Amino acid sequence: EAQVTQNPRYLITVTGKKLTVTCSQNMNHEYMSWYRQDPGLGLRQIYYSMNVEVTDKGDVPEGYKVSRKEKRNFPLILESPSPNQTSLYFCASSFQAGTGSEAFFGQGTRLTVV
Amino acid sequence: LAKTTQPISMDSYEGQEVNITCSHNNIATNDYITWYQQFPSQGPRFIIQGYKTKVTNEVASLFIPADRKSSTLSLPRVSLSDTAVYYCLVGDLVGSGTYKYIFGTGTRLKVLA
Repeated sequence: EAQVTQNPRYLITVTGKKLTVTCSQNMNHEYMSWYRQDPGLGLRQIYYSMNVEVTDKGDVPEGYKVSRKEKRNFPLILESPSPNQTSLYFCASSFQAGTGSEAFFGQGTRLTVV
Repeated sequence: LAKTTQPISMDSYEGQEVNITCSHNNIATNDYITWYQQFPSQGPRFIIQGYKTKVTNEVASLFIPADRKSSTLSLPRVSLSDTAVYYCLVGDLVGSGTYKYIFGTGTRLKVLA
């Protein structure tokens, strides 16, 4: 089954404790991205990757890091989480960049930073 | 920078046709317009996509005028299960051939019995 898998689904952590949210897709997609979703603000892109070893900042990259060492995986790293990073996070992938390609989203990761 | 504008919310009754319009004045020449549906605590799901004129699939129609500065998602005969947030998506080709997706804040559709 074609899918994007995020882990964990839920996470509560303390300020400053480094964490990683994993994202994996099994569709051999080139384009992957991370979004955060907050009430009233819709979906905002954090980082995206056009292909292996190619990443770039989205609209809200501060406080986040990503890596793309393999095509299927695109982890999101919070080196020193803060309470304002409490949010619902989604990973997405598509065959290629450009909106002519359908994006597939993961189930979401609800992160709470206390 | 491409940006989308949609109504924040809409109410409808079961069995009615619902039309949601999205404004995207700065859409790029080669860009498509894509609509997604999102239920609470789930990832967005693809509904329909188009470049110009009209596109129809088994769940919706998409109308795009010639200037492509707006688009209208049409949901025929909605049911309670269509209650969700609907996002219009365009992209933005930034320097060096990289590409960003631009989601709006979405339209919250509530279908009433």
